[in-house]
Amino acid sequence: AQKVTQAQTEISVVEKEDVTLDCVYETRDTTYYLFWYKQPPSGELVFLIRRNSFDEQNEISGRYSWNFQKSTSSFNFTITASQVVDSAVYFCALSSLNTDKLIFGTGTRLQVFP
Amino acid sequence: DGGITQSPKYLFRKEGQNVTLSCEQNLNHDAMYWYRQDPGQGLRLIYYSQIVNDFQKGDIAEGYSVSREKKESFPLTVTSAQKNPTAFYLCASSIVARGQQETQYFGPGTRLLVL
Repeated sequence: AQKVTQAQTEISVVEKEDVTLDCVYETRDTTYYLFWYKQPPSGELVFLIRRNSFDEQNEISGRYSWNFQKSTSSFNFTITASQVVDSAVYFCALSSLNTDKLIFGTGTRLQVFP
Repeated sequence: DGGITQSPKYLFRKEGQNVTLSCEQNLNHDAMYWYRQDPGQGLRLIYYSQIVNDFQKGDIAEGYSVSREKKESFPLTVTSAQKNPTAFYLCASSIVARGQQETQYFGPGTRLLVL
């Protein structure tokens, strides 16, 4: 069975703090894809990143960075120098070649206070 | 601008009534999806379609129906058989590429409330 666990239900930080959102996944497939989406208060899911299982390189995009570790089945997301506009619910998701489905975690609500 | 539109933004349903949620995309994507989101939970797949005139049930299809008569459109009907329809409904689309899972892009959502 495939599963995504986001153990942090809610995180609160003050602006300019760094924050890491955890994502742990389970799959028996060797080829799979991991995603992060941001859901601001407006409700629309905004795509942030897609990573396949054969690419363990960490990625940095501005203040965002992602750490993919197959040894611990984790795909964590770090926001550096957080801003109020980063306040949203963040979802980690998993899919594989053996399923047509995107499996979502339950999300982590991030609140950044000024 | 290319994107996914959903209408209406808010929808109210009376008991025993069927309602239809609209989803249109101009991204030329082959695949379209419907998800349901309940408070504090992740998204659950209702139905999906990878080609016109064909669709498959997701994890929670009971009480819902869809059609895919055009590539651009994938309307979702919430029937009276769905006893707990209050939720946020999100439509998504993606290209279909053999041998890999492509990124799904989402619309702004429709919030359905029962009167």
